[in-house]
Amino acid sequence: GPKVLQIPSHQIIDMGQMVTLNCDPVSNHLYFYWYKQILGQQMEFLVNFYNGKVMEKSKLFKDQFSVERPDGSYFTLKIQPTALEDSAVYFCASSRLGGNQDTQYFGPGTRLLVL
Amino acid sequence: GEQVEQRPPHLSVREGDSAIIICTYTDSATAYFSWYKQEAGAGLQLLMSVLSNVDRKEEQGLTVLLNKKDKRLSLNLTAAHPGDSAVYFCAVSHDSGYNKLTFGKGTVLLVSP
Repeated sequence: GPKVLQIPSHQIIDMGQMVTLNCDPVSNHLYFYWYKQILGQQMEFLVNFYNGKVMEKSKLFKDQFSVERPDGSYFTLKIQPTALEDSAVYFCASSRLGGNQDTQYFGPGTRLLVL
Repeated sequence: GEQVEQRPPHLSVREGDSAIIICTYTDSATAYFSWYKQEAGAGLQLLMSVLSNVDRKEEQGLTVLLNKKDKRLSLNLTAAHPGDSAVYFCAVSHDSGYNKLTFGKGTVLLVSP
């Protein structure tokens, strides 16, 4: 089936540094999502993105977070500066359309560890 | 906001047995229900989804039941086999909003030969 890729698979950084997580969505998809999963907890919605804009974000999407997809390249999640509580697995997803019946295809996740 | 509880967190069955995973949710406006499977190192794979007007759906050895009165969703793997060993997540979303999924915590299923 359609594949979403995430780069890198693992990232370790020092607190206060910037990190960019990259997502290569399914090629004809128009809606993009980030979810965060802290070890042992539920996967939680962070943000969705369409046509260059954030459509909806959760309270977990702090001011230090930003997303973009310049010129149809990677869909990125940037955290600047990072904090210890940002350590988690971040999953990217994409869907063809944005309706609630449109399947979201997920990547394998990026495991971020902030020291 | 929406709360989704999933149980059990771990489930061990023998090959050929059935495995049942249950999720309960709190928001009666929830309209779309899905089950995902995650194998080690891979992304989430959609298994099956149902709308709120469906009580039961069966596909390829999987049965999803939706009880709107009790706000309960279940996934039944009939005749499980070792290849079904994975983590399973339920996810729900509303009619409104932009396809934001709320997930359960996941169930680690182990099917032994």
